[in-house]
Amino acid sequence: GESVGLHLPTLSVQEGDNSIINCAYSNSASDYFIWYKQESGKGPQFIIDIRSNMDKRQGQRVTVLLNKTVKHLSLQIAATQPGDSAVYFCAEKKSNYGQNFVFGPGTRLSVLP
Amino acid sequence: DSGVTQTPKHLITATGQRVTLRCSPRSGDLSVYWYQQSLDQGLQFLIQYYNGEERAKGNILERFSAQQFPDLHSELNLSSLELGDSALYFCASSPTGSGRRYEQYFGPGTRLTVT
Repeated sequence: GESVGLHLPTLSVQEGDNSIINCAYSNSASDYFIWYKQESGKGPQFIIDIRSNMDKRQGQRVTVLLNKTVKHLSLQIAATQPGDSAVYFCAEKKSNYGQNFVFGPGTRLSVLP
Repeated sequence: DSGVTQTPKHLITATGQRVTLRCSPRSGDLSVYWYQQSLDQGLQFLIQYYNGEERAKGNILERFSAQQFPDLHSELNLSSLELGDSALYFCASSPTGSGRRYEQYFGPGTRLTVT
């Protein structure tokens, strides 16, 4: 069935290093993807999105890469900071009507001092 | 602060009972979404409303129902509660406009515990 998943359930990085969080999706017809950050005790927070007609999009310290050939999505965080510690979810828009998003299981990012 | 409010923050109830969760979207947002987040299922989309009308349905049980009122706030009703319904329930809203309608802003959630 259709699913959105992650290669690594946990990721530990040193403060100041770059982080890369990966996501695999199975629905080649999906046309929109979002990365969310969820801190402990809070709701998910929108980080960055990308449409399927793009392969890269940059924000402030974050970059999302989309490889449609292998159905792979990644989130790169530059100069990771302690405040980046959270669970990161990728989400895939499933249909053209409404906004039925399928979320991946999440990756926990721990930033080490 | 996303601008989306949810009440109550915590809710403890017994099996078989019925509860109502409330959500107020960000000012001006017409779309409201409900999600369930549990440890074993992750974040699951339940249902979306747009300006009072149901727009999309996800993995919502028949025991659950939702509605969006004229003032755009929304309620999620959970009935005949089971232990497995214990989870965090999030509401999200999104802005109107073709360029931003997929940006969903999540509320702080309601933690439901069924005992």
